[in-house]
Amino acid sequence: GAVVSQHPSRVICKSGTSVKIECRSLDFQATTMFWYRQFPKQSLMLMATSNEGSKATYEQGVEKDKFLINHASLTLSTLTVTSAHPEDSSFYICSVGTGWNNEQFFGPGTRLTVL
Amino acid sequence: AQSVTQLGSHVSVSEGALVLLRCNYSSSVPPYLFWYVQYPNQGLQLLLKYTTGATLVKGINGFEAEFKKSETSFHLTKPSAHMSDAAEYFCAVSPSGGYNKLIFGAGTRLAVHP
Repeated sequence: GAVVSQHPSRVICKSGTSVKIECRSLDFQATTMFWYRQFPKQSLMLMATSNEGSKATYEQGVEKDKFLINHASLTLSTLTVTSAHPEDSSFYICSVGTGWNNEQFFGPGTRLTVL
Repeated sequence: AQSVTQLGSHVSVSEGALVLLRCNYSSSVPPYLFWYVQYPNQGLQLLLKYTTGATLVKGINGFEAEFKKSETSFHLTKPSAHMSDAAEYFCAVSPSGGYNKLIFGAGTRLAVHP
C-alpha cells in the first residue's frame, strides 16, 4: 500500500497565527488526497477532497478560506489553517486515495493546539 | 445517502475472549466496506475490506468480517483477544467505483482486560 507521512506531528501555535501541515505520499502518485479532522474520542470528519492540479472540494460547513488546501504535485498536499483559534485545535489526518476499490491510506496525523 | 452505525461505543473483553464489533450500513448501491484500527495519537490502519466476491473477509492480526447483505451488516470478529488489540476501531463505507469518499462510523473503543 501507499506510505503516507505528515509533518509536523505536533504543533502548538498562538491564536491568530497560521499553521501549515504537509501530507506526503512517499511511494504512490496521489492524484487524490483527503483531509480529515478528528476531535477527542470522536470519529473522523472529512473536511475536503484534494485533487492534484485543481481546487479542493470542501465538505459542507468547512470554511475554504480558513482551511486552505494546496495539492500542487502528485506527492504533496498541504493544509493551512489560517488565523487559527483555540476551537481549531484538533487532530488532522490526511489520506491518499488509491482508486483500488476506494481504499485510502492514512498519514499518522498532526496534533494542532492553538493557545 | 450512505451511513454507518457502530453499535457500542465501548466494548470490553477479557484476554482470550471473542471480540465482536458491530457495524451496520445503509446504502442504495452495493458499497465497499472497510474496518480500520487507530491506536492513540496515530493514523488509521486498514484491517480488512470487502469489495466483491467472498463475503467472509480475513484481515490482519487475526481479524475477520462477514458481509451480510440481507442484514446490511459487516461485523468484525476475532476469536481470541490480545492485549495489543486495545484500540479504536472504525467501520467505513464507500460507494463502489472511483476515488469516492469514505463515510466513517462513530468508532468503537475496544478494551482488553487480563
